[in-house]
Amino acid sequence: DAKTTQPPSMDCAEGRAANLPCNHSTISGNEYVYWYRQIHSQGPQYIIHGLKNNETNEMASLIITEDRKSSTLILPHATLRDTAVYYCIVRPLAGGGNKLTFGTGTQLKVEL
Amino acid sequence: DSGVTQTPKHLITATGQRVTLRCSPRSGDLSVYWYQQSLDQGLQFLIQYYNGEERAKGNILERFSAQQFPDLHSELNLSSLELGDSALYFCASSPQDRGSGNTIYFGEGSWLTVV
Repeated sequence: DAKTTQPPSMDCAEGRAANLPCNHSTISGNEYVYWYRQIHSQGPQYIIHGLKNNETNEMASLIITEDRKSSTLILPHATLRDTAVYYCIVRPLAGGGNKLTFGTGTQLKVEL
Repeated sequence: DSGVTQTPKHLITATGQRVTLRCSPRSGDLSVYWYQQSLDQGLQFLIQYYNGEERAKGNILERFSAQQFPDLHSELNLSSLELGDSALYFCASSPQDRGSGNTIYFGEGSWLTVV
């Protein structure tokens, strides 16, 4: 599985956009980028995923660079409830049982 | 609410004992995954089942075993428990075992404390 690199922590003011970067320079053509978050000791929550096009849903937007070596998760209007650890995961969709391999993620702290 | 149900939510047991954690996947999901999260190890993949058959194995100890039943619920059995087995155990499920739409959803976990 391709490895990902994320900053260990970030701060964001409430109401502002939170932009969480992820580097996945060894990603291969059949691997998707997934984002999950974990609010303190709760089950990881699916946010969004994409292959090469930008994606948006009710929770967030995902921007993937053209060379697919990095991506950014955007929470457009962060709230205190968005404080969590955010995981960027590169996931193969064929073989390997399709599991998710979690790294250490980014601890996002949203403050007033 | 992800739709994945885990029981029990909390469990305290003694070293050397055996426990069973239960998971009911989301309605219609055929794959079940088990993860362990301890303070020093992060989220570790243990094992995956798809429609009753083992599909992938991760860092699962020999003292641990799992199975998925015909009704698709799954159980994780932990035996000869040690203090280091204290952790949060998550179950997750997905519709299939592969594919672009095969999003994995997690339950709220079972807290296991071994004393």
